[in-house]
Amino acid sequence: NAGVTQTPKFQVLKTGQSMTLQCAQDMNHEYMSWYRQDPGMGLRLIHYSVGAGITDQGEVPNGYNVSRSTTEDFPLRLLSAAPSQTSVYFCASSYSSAINEQFFGPGTRLTVL
Amino acid sequence: TQLLEQSPQFLSIQEGENLTVYCNSSSVFSSLQWYRQEPGEGPVLLVTVVTGGEVKKLKRLTFQFGDARKDSSLHITAAQPGDTGLYLCAGDRGDYKLSFGAGTTVTVRA
Repeated sequence: NAGVTQTPKFQVLKTGQSMTLQCAQDMNHEYMSWYRQDPGMGLRLIHYSVGAGITDQGEVPNGYNVSRSTTEDFPLRLLSAAPSQTSVYFCASSYSSAINEQFFGPGTRLTVL
Repeated sequence: TQLLEQSPQFLSIQEGENLTVYCNSSSVFSSLQWYRQEPGEGPVLLVTVVTGGEVKKLKRLTFQFGDARKDSSLHITAAQPGDTGLYLCAGDRGDYKLSFGAGTTVTVRA
């Protein structure tokens, strides 16, 4: 099993550009989520999904969109990048939302100029 | 403000010493998790505690969940350089959303 994979590993954008961060898992997990990690602030939940076709907002959803058309994939879209979105982004999955033990991907380091 | 407060923020100790990291909140959690993260990588789950007062041991690591399920501690006995990393606690209130603390950076000097 590859676990949770994320692409790209690094990305530099200009203000106003859009892009999609890819996330895939091969563990047949029902729950997937996106976090951003900033110094001194821990991990903050952006969006999450409890199954294919179901998504909901987390703590910091503004400026981001998600969709979940399959169990395996959960892409995160930045609609119009802003410098405040410079961060490290982690995708995670969990077998069940009942006991929400997260398996994390390796992260994407995004810089917005 | 963070829902979960971790202390201390930084901890630097000599190999062989003991350390304790704390995770506190005013909220009640259905479960609490501890993760360790190394530079450039994603967090890795260490343990989940679900019952108030529960104590779990993982080799030299001991995790305790408070009786009221609002706080937790991580104790490392005879720390080794391999224990170096960022330790994160995360609370689940049963609403599909994990809340993470800001983390404690532990450095164990050889």
